[in-house]
Amino acid sequence: AQKITQTQPGMFVQEKEAVTLDCTYDTSDPSYGLFWYKQPSSGEMIFLIYQGSYDQQNATEGRYSLNFQKARKSANLVISASQLGDSAMYFCAMRGVQGAQKLVFGQGTRLTINP
Amino acid sequence: DTAVSQTPKYLVTQMGNDKSIKCEQNLGHDTMYWYKQDSKKFLKIMFSYNNKELIINETVPNRFSPKSPDKAHLNLHINSLELGDSAVYFCASSQYSGYEQYFGPGTRLTVT
Repeated sequence: AQKITQTQPGMFVQEKEAVTLDCTYDTSDPSYGLFWYKQPSSGEMIFLIYQGSYDQQNATEGRYSLNFQKARKSANLVISASQLGDSAMYFCAMRGVQGAQKLVFGQGTRLTINP
Repeated sequence: DTAVSQTPKYLVTQMGNDKSIKCEQNLGHDTMYWYKQDSKKFLKIMFSYNNKELIINETVPNRFSPKSPDKAHLNLHINSLELGDSAVYFCASSQYSGYEQYFGPGTRLTVT
C-alpha cells in the first residue's frame, strides 16, 4: 500500500522568506511519481510540481522546487521568496505502478504567509 | 476554455434524495477520476475510468454509481444520500500513460 505523511498541519512564514513543506512517503512500487498540489481558499486543486522516482535531478518549476531524497523517502516542497498569494493548503501525493494511476494524498499543510 | 468542468458547483439536498454530479473534460484524456475531500480536507480516490472502463473502485458504498458515456464525460450518481456524504467531490482527468492529473473546480455537496 502507498502512504503519504505530511507532519505539519500548519505553517506561518514571513513574506519573502523561503519555506519548506515536509512530505514522506511509503511504497513498495519500484517506480512511482510524487506530486505537489496547491489548494487556495477558492477550492480548486492546482498542480505545482512532479518528481519521478528515477529522475536524477530534483524537479524545479519557477519558485517551486522539490527536494527529493529517495533513501529517506522524502519529497519536500521548497517555495523560494514566498508571496502573500502562496497562502493555501498544500498537498503531497504519489502515484505508483500499482493502483492504476490513482493519486494517494497526504493530510495537507496549511501555509499562511504573513506580510 | 475550461479544461475540466463540473456541474453543479454547489448542491444542497436532504437525506434520502438521489443526486447526480456531471464532469466533462476537453483535454483529450483517456482516464477520468472521482475524488472525495472530506471536512478535514483529506482527499481520497473513489473511482477511475479508462476509455469508459471502470479500473478503480475504492470500496465506495454501492449507493455511489459512476457512469462514463464516453471518454470525455464521467458522471457520479448518488442514491439515498446520507449526512456523511457531505463533502467536496472533485473530478480529474489524465492520460493513462501521463503523470499530471487535471482537477475540476469541485462540487460542494451538503446533505441536510
